[in-house]
Amino acid sequence: DAMVIQNPRYQVTQFGKPVTLSCSQTLNHNVMYWYQQKSSQAPKLLFHYYDKDFNNEADTPDNFQSRRPNTSFCFLDIRSPGLGDAAMYLCATHRTGESSYEQYFGPGTRLTVT
Amino acid sequence: KNQVEQSPQSLIILEGKNCTLQCNYTVSPFSNLRWYKQDTGRGPVSLTIMTFSENTKSNGRYTATLDADTKQSSLHITASQLSDSASYICVVSGVNAGNMLTFGGGTRLMVKP
Repeated sequence: DAMVIQNPRYQVTQFGKPVTLSCSQTLNHNVMYWYQQKSSQAPKLLFHYYDKDFNNEADTPDNFQSRRPNTSFCFLDIRSPGLGDAAMYLCATHRTGESSYEQYFGPGTRLTVT
Repeated sequence: KNQVEQSPQSLIILEGKNCTLQCNYTVSPFSNLRWYKQDTGRGPVSLTIMTFSENTKSNGRYTATLDADTKQSSLHITASQLSDSASYICVVSGVNAGNMLTFGGGTRLMVKP
């Protein structure tokens, strides 16, 4: 059963055209993360939500925004995508206090900017 | 600065052979170390998680070791299969990191028939 779901799996957008990626989870985890992963590189944390508290990484561009309307859903908004934003975007979740420390990753959304 | 370094960057082996991937880290104070398998175009999938007190953990044909004194870990794959072709990522979490993860650059493994 899918636990962290990302939609769409593949997204093509035009240069400068806003795009929204979505992530949902059935785990009731209180922490959700968004990572950007470029080809052959490690995932880079963009921001995370600890419950409703939004935490932005210092080097995340202002072009990237996020919304978490409820526990299950989290959105990544790219206001004006540039060619350099083409990447795989990974969503992950975690429940604080769990001894397993596990972060569960979604399958990712591959973003192409034309 | 917290860092995780993996070697080799890429590896090609024949089906059925064993291989060992290496991970060195400087994350301190240490909380846990994970190995993930990431197929091309997919999200990472957890293979093992080890805390300070654990020095080995197995998941099927995958066996991870941890030496917290030397800050080294290895992932051993036994009797490799074509489906083992993927990137293997070592990820370390620090005690005070709020479960923030430091990712290694990964080892790209290709298993050939």
